[in-house]
Amino acid sequence: NAGVTQTPKFRILKIGQSMTLQCTQDMNHNYMYWYRQDPGMGLKLIYYSVGAGITDKGEVPNGYNVSRSTTEDFPLRLELAAPSQTSVYFCASSGVDEQFFGPGTRLTVL
Amino acid sequence: RKEVEQDPGPFNVPEGATVAFNCTYSNSASQSFFWYRQDCRKEPKLLMSVYSSGNEDGRFTAQLNRASQYISLLIRDSKLSDSATYLCVVNSHTDKLIFGTGTRLQVFP
Repeated sequence: NAGVTQTPKFRILKIGQSMTLQCTQDMNHNYMYWYRQDPGMGLKLIYYSVGAGITDKGEVPNGYNVSRSTTEDFPLRLELAAPSQTSVYFCASSGVDEQFFGPGTRLTVL
Repeated sequence: RKEVEQDPGPFNVPEGATVAFNCTYSNSASQSFFWYRQDCRKEPKLLMSVYSSGNEDGRFTAQLNRASQYISLLIRDSKLSDSATYLCVVNSHTDKLIFGTGTRLQVFP
């Protein structure tokens, strides 16, 4: 079991560029989540999904989009990157209780 | 009031010391409580769940006080490897998990 994997590990974007952060889990979890964590701050929920084909907004969804076409994959799309989106992005999945996190993607927007 | 509040620390303690963290939460209807550990520049990992009856796992003890709406984490006989940030996590009224900003622990020799 690889658990939750995320790619890329690091990325630098220019303002206005777009990119997709990939997230895959092999635990057959229905629930998946995207969080961002700014330096010295807690995790903020961006989007989540309770199963394939179902997504919903979290606390800070503006500037992001997601899709969930399969149980395994939950990509996060940034359409027009802004400096305020500089952060560490964590994907997570859960079954009944515990959330398992991926290693994170460090994104810098310049 | 924040949904989950923690003292950010840092707590600087010598090896072998006992240290305790508290965390308060605002939603009296919350049913699920956890402590996660996050090492520097790494992802959070579940340390332990917090049950109404408390929970003990080796040197770690977690307690829940529903009346006062706080949970606590006690670490006995601190090790250098315990140095990390400890995140308090509570489920919200919409059943999503809310993460505290974390309490940083630094154990020194």
